[in-house]
Amino acid sequence: EAGVAQSPRYKIIEKRQSVAFWCNPISGHATLYWYQQILGQGPKLLIQFQNNGVVDDSQLPKDRFSAERLKGVDSTLKIQPAKLEDSAVYLCASSDHRGAGEKLFFGSGTQLSVL
Amino acid sequence: GENVEQHPSTLSVQEGDSAVIKCTYSDSASNYFPWYKQELGKRPQLIIDIRSNVGEKKDQRIAVTLNKTAKHFSLHITETQPEDSAVYFCAASIRNTGFQKLVFGTGTRLLVSP
Repeated sequence: EAGVAQSPRYKIIEKRQSVAFWCNPISGHATLYWYQQILGQGPKLLIQFQNNGVVDDSQLPKDRFSAERLKGVDSTLKIQPAKLEDSAVYLCASSDHRGAGEKLFFGSGTQLSVL
Repeated sequence: GENVEQHPSTLSVQEGDSAVIKCTYSDSASNYFPWYKQELGKRPQLIIDIRSNVGEKKDQRIAVTLNKTAKHFSLHITETQPEDSAVYFCAASIRNTGFQKLVFGTGTRLLVSP
């Protein structure tokens, strides 16, 4: 089966610029996650969707980060404006249940460098 | 909220030795504990998981143990091989408005030397 697709693979921007990441989950997976992985740390959940509804965005910096999952399939994560501390790998993952003890399938991630 | 601590941060072993990585969690309601392996530049992949109604689970050279009373769980890799070299993340799931989300540990970099 096709895996979770993410693009771009790498992105370099200057602080205060905007950036957007795209994710296409595994077909049929209802739950989609965006994680931020700072170098040397574990993935931190930013936002979790169930179909096209937000389940958890408690750790999303809403003053600069936004995400949507129109039609309950693809998702985009946007940062505007970016800060130096946003440099990280942004991982998208999906699962076919509510994430209650179900395996997460991760994409390859987008490595963001903010200069 | 849930907090997951993982130790050690780095672990170096000789090929054939065993490796043990330990994690503790704070939320006693957590009931699912997966382990993910992330090779350099690649995506995290699930290698083994355990649910709170089980104390131990084994899959070939990999095993996970869970102590609910002490709120800690461990990953055991026996007969390590160079291809086991990677970063390993533990995680614990917590409930949130009917859904569960994973909280990850900080990772352990395992280096297996030939």
